[in-house]
Amino acid sequence: EAQVTQNPRYLITVTGKKLTVTCSQNMNHEYMSWYRQDPGLGLRQIYYSMNVEVTDKGDVPEGYKVSRKEKRNFPLILESPSPNQTSLYFCASSYTPSRAEAFFGQGTRLTVV
Amino acid sequence: AQTVTQSQPEMSVQEAETVTLSCTYDTSESDYYLFWYKQPPSRQMILVIRQEAYKQQNATENRFSVNFQKAAKSFSLKISDSQLGDAAMYFCAYRGNNAGNMLTFGGGTRLMVKP
Repeated sequence: EAQVTQNPRYLITVTGKKLTVTCSQNMNHEYMSWYRQDPGLGLRQIYYSMNVEVTDKGDVPEGYKVSRKEKRNFPLILESPSPNQTSLYFCASSYTPSRAEAFFGQGTRLTVV
Repeated sequence: AQTVTQSQPEMSVQEAETVTLSCTYDTSESDYYLFWYKQPPSRQMILVIRQEAYKQQNATENRFSVNFQKAAKSFSLKISDSQLGDAAMYFCAYRGNNAGNMLTFGGGTRLMVKP
């Protein structure tokens, strides 16, 4: 089954404790992206990757890191989480940046206390 | 930069009735795609319908249809014969030729369906 898998689905952590949210897709997509969803703001792009070892900032990259060592995986790293990073996070992938439908993971609800 | 605006934070509709969700966008591109995504309580993002900007004909998927007005930069979603399962957050999204941004989303409209 074609899918984008995120883990964990729920995470509560404390300020400053490094964490990683994993994202994996089995569709051989070149393009992957991370979004955060906040009430009234919709989804905003954090980082994206157009292929292995190619990453770039989206609209709200501060406080986040990503890596793309393999085509299927695109982890999101919070080196020192803060309460303002409490949000719902989505990973998405597609074949190309434009034209193709984006496939989304199930979402990760992160709470930083 | 592109922007997408959904001016209705919440809408409600009676079961079996029709409801229209509004979306406007701003872009200088001529070739782009527009989408409506549904997000039920499960949080999953589900593609409802898509529209290619170069197509004049409005897209339709069963009970879902759009009214695409390119000159006005308007992209509304009409849901006919509303069902209880249609209750969800609905997001309008834009995808252009800028390689960086996969999708630009509006703020969302919460749709409630009354039995």
